[in-house]
Amino acid sequence: DGGITQSPKYLFRKEGQNVTLSCEQNLNHDAMYWYRQDPGQGLRLIYYSQIVNDFQKGDIAEGYSVSREKKESFPLTVTSAQKNPTAFYLCASSIVTSGRGEQYFGPGTRLTVT
Amino acid sequence: DAKTTQPPSMDCAEGRAANLPCNHSTISGNEYVYWYRQIHSQGPQYIIHGLKNNETNEMASLIITEDRKSSTLILPHATLRDTAVYYCIVRPRDRSYNTDKLIFGTGTRLQVFP
Repeated sequence: DGGITQSPKYLFRKEGQNVTLSCEQNLNHDAMYWYRQDPGQGLRLIYYSQIVNDFQKGDIAEGYSVSREKKESFPLTVTSAQKNPTAFYLCASSIVTSGRGEQYFGPGTRLTVT
Repeated sequence: DAKTTQPPSMDCAEGRAANLPCNHSTISGNEYVYWYRQIHSQGPQYIIHGLKNNETNEMASLIITEDRKSSTLILPHATLRDTAVYYCIVRPRDRSYNTDKLIFGTGTRLQVFP
């Protein structure tokens, strides 16, 4: 079964700790994305990557870091510099074409920092 | 970037058609209209997209007005499982990376009742 996996589903951390969220896809998609969602709000783009070893900041990149060493994997690190890290984090991937192509989302990781 | 306006919530009786409107009056000629939905605590799911012609797939129909300033997503026979937040998105083109960036608003919360 092709798809996107995110682990874990729920994650709890103490304030001041860095935490890394996993995202893996076996769809052979070139592009991958990280979004953040707060209660009652839409999704906001954190980082995206179109190709291995390259990524770009989205709208709310401060306090986050990513890497793209393999096509299948796009982990997100929430650093201690992120002021309000508690949120629902969603990873997505898509085929990069000439402008079409829907994004496929993973099930999300709900991060709680206390 | 073109913005979209959707009603915050709608109700629909099970078995009836659900018609979800979206205004995108500033859409430009090469921008697509995408619809996604998000069932509670899950990742968003792609539904349909279109440019100027009406589109239909196994999930829904998309009706885009001739001037492209608004569109309607139609779920022909709504079921309880269609209860979700529905996002209408006009997809901008990132000129430097040719990447499918999606800008999510707060969407329409559709409640299907028995």
